[in-house]
Amino acid sequence: SQTIHQWPATLVQPVGSPLSLECTVEGTSNPNLYWYRQAAGRGLQLLFYSVGIGQISSEVPQNLSASRPQDRQFILSSKKLLLSDSGFYLCAWRGTGDSDGYTFGSGTRLTVV
Amino acid sequence: GQNIDQPTEMTATEGAIVQINCTYQTSGFNGLFWYQQHAGEAPTFLSYNVLDGLEEKGRFSSFLSRSKGYSYLLLKELQMKDSASYLCAVKDSNYQLIWGAGTKLIIKP
Repeated sequence: SQTIHQWPATLVQPVGSPLSLECTVEGTSNPNLYWYRQAAGRGLQLLFYSVGIGQISSEVPQNLSASRPQDRQFILSSKKLLLSDSGFYLCAWRGTGDSDGYTFGSGTRLTVV
Repeated sequence: GQNIDQPTEMTATEGAIVQINCTYQTSGFNGLFWYQQHAGEAPTFLSYNVLDGLEEKGRFSSFLSRSKGYSYLLLKELQMKDSASYLCAVKDSNYQLIWGAGTKLIIKP
């Protein structure tokens, strides 16, 4: 069965510090991978998605970047965090069937102070 | 533009029935999903509709009318553990999910 791992679970970082969040998927090959952010009490905002190694699409211009160095690894990064980067970050993968929704990782609660 | 509307918050009583509505305007339609999200946790899949009609899955049912751009999630025999946010999402013509802001459901004893 497919599983998705995301870490860390919580993170408190000062403004201007770098960020690296990692997500890995097991039990599937060439998955479509996604990074979402959810502000408190708000809906899910798609940040990046990837259909394969080295292929990244950005949905929202910001100071975040994403990379996919391996088939089942997706990394979200920032060189300098802003206060507005605080939120709940979720990695997700999607199956290839029409009825396949997204399966989410457990999420990372990021607080920029 | 693409838009999905859900009520922000609803309150219901334990043991009762509640209906959460979702209306959508998207560029194309390739299915509608409902997810449940408990506070501080990731969303989990509840249901998928692509054809008009009602899909029943235990205490939860989901209905779709494509001509009206409308769906609802029906929760029966409410339990305290059903207190959560319920997210409606539509898969558009590019097969990307467009998300509603979610409906926070509060269950009272």
